[in-house]
This record gives sequence, structure tokens and C-alpha cells, in this order.
Amino acid sequence: VQLLESGGGLVQPGGSLRLSCAASGFPFTNYDMGWVRQAPGKGLEWVSAISGSGGSTYFANSVKGRFTISRDTSKNALFLQMSSLRAEDTAVYYCAKAVGVPRGYYFYGMDVWGQGTTVTVSS
Amino acid sequence: QSALTQPASVSGSPGQSITISCTGTSSDVGGYKYVSWYQQHPDKAPKLLIYDVSDRPSGVSHRFSGSKAGSTASLIISGLQPEDEADYYCSSFTSSSTVVFGGGTRLTVL
Repeated sequence: VQLLESGGGLVQPGGSLRLSCAASGFPFTNYDMGWVRQAPGKGLEWVSAISGSGGSTYFANSVKGRFTISRDTSKNALFLQMSSLRAEDTAVYYCAKAVGVPRGYYFYGMDVWGQGTTVTVSS
Repeated sequence: QSALTQPASVSGSPGQSITISCTGTSSDVGGYKYVSWYQQHPDKAPKLLIYDVSDRPSGVSHRFSGSKAGSTASLIISGLQPEDEADYYCSSFTSSSTVVFGGGTRLTVL
């Protein structure tokens, strides 16, 4: 079971960035997926989650209206489209899989995490 | 949604037991059985220790256990080992269908 994020980088305030997460080793559509971020030297912050089918999405107030989450079940991939980026969005972004058997729901907890991808918002 | 409240730091000697508290409200910890705990070593991804208040994923040591009373959840680590030194975070489902984390607790093994 593995998650591999990509797409992080340096972006100017107001800009956009798309993060990707490649999943392998588990039945992708059986599990909700999510994104959690960690600003430098700070704690964990939940960002967003999506249901196994992709039909339901959830967002933290801090990113609602600026970020969208999606998944491509044919490619076992998760995405986070970030727009109107601000300095306070600077963080390591982790992709994570929901725990549970045979189905995992995001509110149970997240049992598999990627290595993280760094997003820096700065001019 | 305000972060859950955790002590900034706790410490203990090898072999001892320690408890980390996580206080929320009736809209999160107190209202649902969906409390999780994570361990994070420096520059590493978080690791799930406990979910659904007290369930352990396979492979997690029995030295880690969880409980909840009202709006306060607790992580108990028994038989402290040097490798337990890390940051610990709680999280909870909320009435807004979001998830909220605690501010984190730094555990020092003396």
C-alpha cells in the first residue's frame, strides 16, 4: 500500500497549483481519501476529503471556495487543485487514505500517508 | 472550527506510563466516537495509532491505548520506550462534517 504525492513547488500569492497523489496496493474506490497539511514548525491541519466514489467532498473553512478535491478512479489518483493561494497556505501537503475494512471513511482516521509535497507561496 | 486542546508537552521515564489529553466540545469529541491519534517523528509523515477512540490498526503496539470521557479523549502510552519520543496529535470528526486536529503534544522520554 503506497501513496506518492507530486506537484508541489514555489508559487506567487494569488496563483494556482495542482497536487497529485498516486495510490497503489489497495482497492482505490473502497476508501475515502484526504489531504492534510503542516506549515513549517506547526501542527497538522486537515484540509479536505473525498468519498470513495468521488461524489462527496468536504473542506476546511480555511480553504473552502479556493481548493477543490477530485479523484480519477481509472488511474488510482487523487488531486488537490489550489487557487487564490496565500502565504498561509505554505506547508507540506500529505495525501492520506481512510482506515477501515472493507470500506474506509475519512472521519474514521487516516492509516496510510504519503511522504508529503512542499508548497511555498511567496513573491 | 477551533483546534482541539492538547498539552504542549509531556514527559516520562522509560518504563513509565503517560497520558495525553485532548479536549474538545460536544460538536466534536463529545458528540462522536470518531477520535484518532497520530504519532509523528521529526521530518516524517504521521502514523495512525488509534482510531474510533480506542481501536488499534494492525501492527500498532498494545502499549498504545485510547479512551474518551465526555468531551475529553486520552491517549495512554504504557511502558515508555526511547523511540516513543515524538509529537502526538489527536483528531476528531465534527458536526460540520469536517475533521479537526489538536495542536499537538511533544513527548520527551527522560
